[in-house]
Amino acid sequence: KQEVTQIPAALSVPEGENLVLNCSFTDSAIYNLQWFRQDPGKGLTSLLLIQSSQREQTSGRLNASLDKSSGRSTLYIAASQPGDSATYLCAVRPVSSGGSNYKLTFGKGTLLTVNP
Amino acid sequence: KAGVTQTPRYLIKTRGQQVTLSCSPISGHRSVSWYQQTPGQGLQFLFEYFSETQRNKGNFPGRFSGRQFSNSRSEMNVSTLELGDSALYLCASSRDTGSYEQYFGPGTRLTVT
Repeated sequence: KQEVTQIPAALSVPEGENLVLNCSFTDSAIYNLQWFRQDPGKGLTSLLLIQSSQREQTSGRLNASLDKSSGRSTLYIAASQPGDSATYLCAVRPVSSGGSNYKLTFGKGTLLTVNP
Repeated sequence: KAGVTQTPRYLIKTRGQQVTLSCSPISGHRSVSWYQQTPGQGLQFLFEYFSETQRNKGNFPGRFSGRQFSNSRSEMNVSTLELGDSALYLCASSRDTGSYEQYFGPGTRLTVT
């Protein structure tokens, strides 16, 4: 059974700092990995999607890497801003039959606070 | 291009009642998934539909059901509500081809009293 772990559970940093959020998964047979952002009480906003054949993806100040063999992904945020404060979730889509590939397995998230 | 929409946004129900939540996917997306989010369990997969067929179901009791219509809109129903059903219910859609990137709606906040 796929399990996704995110460390740390919470992180508080001063504005302008570069930071890394970690995500690990137990089964390396994944189709892709997706990073999301969730603001309090809101839905999920897709940040980056990395296919299993890719090593990293970049969007603006965000860079996500994927090491499928070791079951790890990182989300790097450069020059953090107070507006980056949110919960960041990673999710994996498995490669398997029987319909289980039609769902995402999520980590519990990292609550990021960027202090002005 | 409009995003995923969910209605209603907030609901308050009493134990024992039933509730129906609605989700309209992004135009052109034929796959719709439902997730339950609670503080203790995080995000848990409920079910996924494609072309009006349920392709996968999570580990939830039979009180949770869903369906998808020919226009890809989806509904989920929870019967005989329990206090533990209080949660944020999120719907996601994807093209089901290529990247399978999932796009989420704003969610329906259900409170059971």
